[in-house]
Amino acid sequence: DTGVSQDPRHKITKRGQNVTFRCDPISEHNRLYWYRQTLGQGPEFLTYFQNEAQLEKSRLLSDRFSAERPKGSFSTLEIQRTEQGDSAMYLCASSHLLGFSEKLFFGSGTQLSVL
Amino acid sequence: AQTVTQSQPEMSVQEAETVTLSCTYDTSESDYYLFWYKQPPSRQMILVIRQEAYKQQNATENRFSVNFQKAAKSFSLKISDSQLGDAAMYFCAYRSENTGTASKLTFGTGTRLQVTL
Repeated sequence: DTGVSQDPRHKITKRGQNVTFRCDPISEHNRLYWYRQTLGQGPEFLTYFQNEAQLEKSRLLSDRFSAERPKGSFSTLEIQRTEQGDSAMYLCASSHLLGFSEKLFFGSGTQLSVL
Repeated sequence: AQTVTQSQPEMSVQEAETVTLSCTYDTSESDYYLFWYKQPPSRQMILVIRQEAYKQQNATENRFSVNFQKAAKSFSLKISDSQLGDAAMYFCAYRSENTGTASKLTFGTGTRLQVTL
């Protein structure tokens, strides 16, 4: 069990560019979550997958955002035409059990800065 | 929609002393779960303790315990025998019990805890 891994740890980009983040969950975890955390705030739910199926998306996830989880393993989060308001830390979490026993294991996040 | 409020942006405690972090929430639901997460400088969110709303007994995990007041919608975290390693941001979080909601947590804005010698 190596924990949830996120890459890159930091990303600096210019406004209008596309960026892609990767999350490798704990192996055999069937659920994977993306959260966004802006400065001075708690994380906010963006979307989650059960295996390869994306089951829910928050209203925060505009059309410029797309997430995938091919084959139910790693996940990618892409932001197209980045805006300064996209600057935040993007957290990934994975879990295996359902219901109250579901415990989220978080990664260390990708810090995005849009100039 | 549910909201979670943490009214203490920063708290300080001396090593070995006890500190209590406050959290209030607003919901119209009767069944839900409450959590405290710790976020150290490494940025990784770590679950500290959790509470089921239907349980009257307050949850405890070693030096960490909660005071859950359902009627008052209050969920405070008590840290006993504080250690330097407890220094971090602490987030209170809410999760609905509704089927299919999964772990869509609603977080508060956090309390930064400093531990001094």
